[in-house]
Amino acid sequence: RKEVEQDPGPFNVPEGATVAFNCTYSNSASQSFFWYRQDCRKEPKLLMSVYSSGNEDGRFTAQLNRASQYISLLIRDSKLSDSATYLCAVSPMFSGGYNKLIFGAGTRLAVHP
Amino acid sequence: NAGVTQTPKFQVLKTGQSMTLQCAQDMNHEYMSWYRQDPGMGLRLIHYSVGAGITDQGEVPNGYNVSRSTTEDFPLRLLSAAPSQTSVYFCASRGLAGVRAGELFFGEGSRLTVL
Repeated sequence: RKEVEQDPGPFNVPEGATVAFNCTYSNSASQSFFWYRQDCRKEPKLLMSVYSSGNEDGRFTAQLNRASQYISLLIRDSKLSDSATYLCAVSPMFSGGYNKLIFGAGTRLAVHP
Repeated sequence: NAGVTQTPKFQVLKTGQSMTLQCAQDMNHEYMSWYRQDPGMGLRLIHYSVGAGITDQGEVPNGYNVSRSTTEDFPLRLLSAAPSQTSVYFCASRGLAGVRAGELFFGEGSRLTVL
């Protein structure tokens, strides 16, 4: 089993839709969680960190469920410009865990008019 | 702001050839790393460094060497290229402390094909 797993998609949604992605992780002691966005043939860029209490940034909401070992990303009112691949990343719970950030393979989102 | 700069952006090698992918950052980041990205596999960590003179292995280090002689530079060397090393390589850096300690800054990637 991969340490971090994501549904590869693609998720095809119309503009204005709400879409949610999940990312499961296998190490229950994982420490920190992130969502990155990657446009086609570009480098990944941090979208948002995921805090235990959940956090929101505009149309984007990230949540952590430690009991079930998954993080989620909710995108409201989808825009064409949201079309991208969304990568989750998890850092293990040990000294220097940030040094070995583990990425999922990504979920592709395609927003159409 | 240059950020993280990788060269070359594209490279074609023959099996058995060696080459070096260059990475430089101008953000004074202590941490630097190399990932490879393959379809369906996501980003996999090759090697990383937490400062000049300090390097360590990631998930897939075999066939690659690194060194960190300065804070700014972190080259990745392929000793004897194999077709299995065909991939997109990303260099990434971050600071070790502060509110953005978890945020990796990536270079634009280097697409390597080994024939």
